[in-house]
Amino acid sequence: DGGITQSPKYLFRKEGQNVTLSCEQNLNHDAMYWYRQDPGQGLRLIYYSQIVNDFQKGDIAEGYSVSREKKESFPLTVTSAQKNPTAFYLCASRRDRDGFEKLFFGSGTQLSVL
Amino acid sequence: AQSVTQLGSHVSVSEGALVLLRCNYSSSVPPYLFWYVQYPNQGLQLLLKYTSAATLVKGINGFEAEFKKSETSFHLTKPSAHMRDAAEYFCAVSAVNAGGTSYGKLTFGQGTILTVHP
Repeated sequence: DGGITQSPKYLFRKEGQNVTLSCEQNLNHDAMYWYRQDPGQGLRLIYYSQIVNDFQKGDIAEGYSVSREKKESFPLTVTSAQKNPTAFYLCASRRDRDGFEKLFFGSGTQLSVL
Repeated sequence: AQSVTQLGSHVSVSEGALVLLRCNYSSSVPPYLFWYVQYPNQGLQLLLKYTSAATLVKGINGFEAEFKKSETSFHLTKPSAHMRDAAEYFCAVSAVNAGGTSYGKLTFGQGTILTVHP
C-alpha cells in the first residue's frame, strides 16, 4: 500500500543534540512538506520541497535543516539551535499538479526534550 | 497574504446535537478553503474543500461547510454529533492559480477540539 511513513513515532532529545526525523513516501509525489504542531497554534510550515535537490524555508525554519537527495525521502534535522523543539511534527506530500485536497499526511513524530 | 482564525479552541456538544465549528479567513486573492480532521496521535485527513464550484460543500462523515464571501467565513457544521466525531478540526486556506489548482502554502488555523458527550 502507498503512503507516508514517519519514524520514529516518539523521539527524545538531550540538550545540545541534533536529532533527525525521517519521512519516506512511496506515492511518487513531487512535493513534500514538514509542519510543526503545537497545542493551540495549529500547524506551521517549517520547510518544503517541490523537487529533488531543492527546498524552501517555510514560516518557522530557524533551528531546522532538511535535505531532498531522493524523491521519496525528506528528512528533517532539529538542530541544537532550536531552543524549543518539543512538538508534534507532521510530514506531508502531494503530486505537484494536484491541489492541497490531495495532500497526504504521515502519522507524525512526537519530539520531547529530556 | 492569507490567514485563518478559528473561533473557539474547544467546543463541547451532546451526542445528537448540532455541531458548529467557526472559521474566518483573510486572503488577498480568491481562496480555496479546506477543513481537516485529526484524531489523537495521527496525521490530518481531509473532510471537505471549497474550490469555488459551489458555496455549500458536503464532505465525509456527514459534515458540510458554507462559503460566505461577504462574511469571509467557512463554518463547518453537522446536524447530529456522534461520539466518533470527537477529534481536533483544522480550517486551512490556500491561494489558487490560473488553472484552478491550489498552490503555494497551505495556512492553517489554530484548531478546534470537539468533545462529544453522551
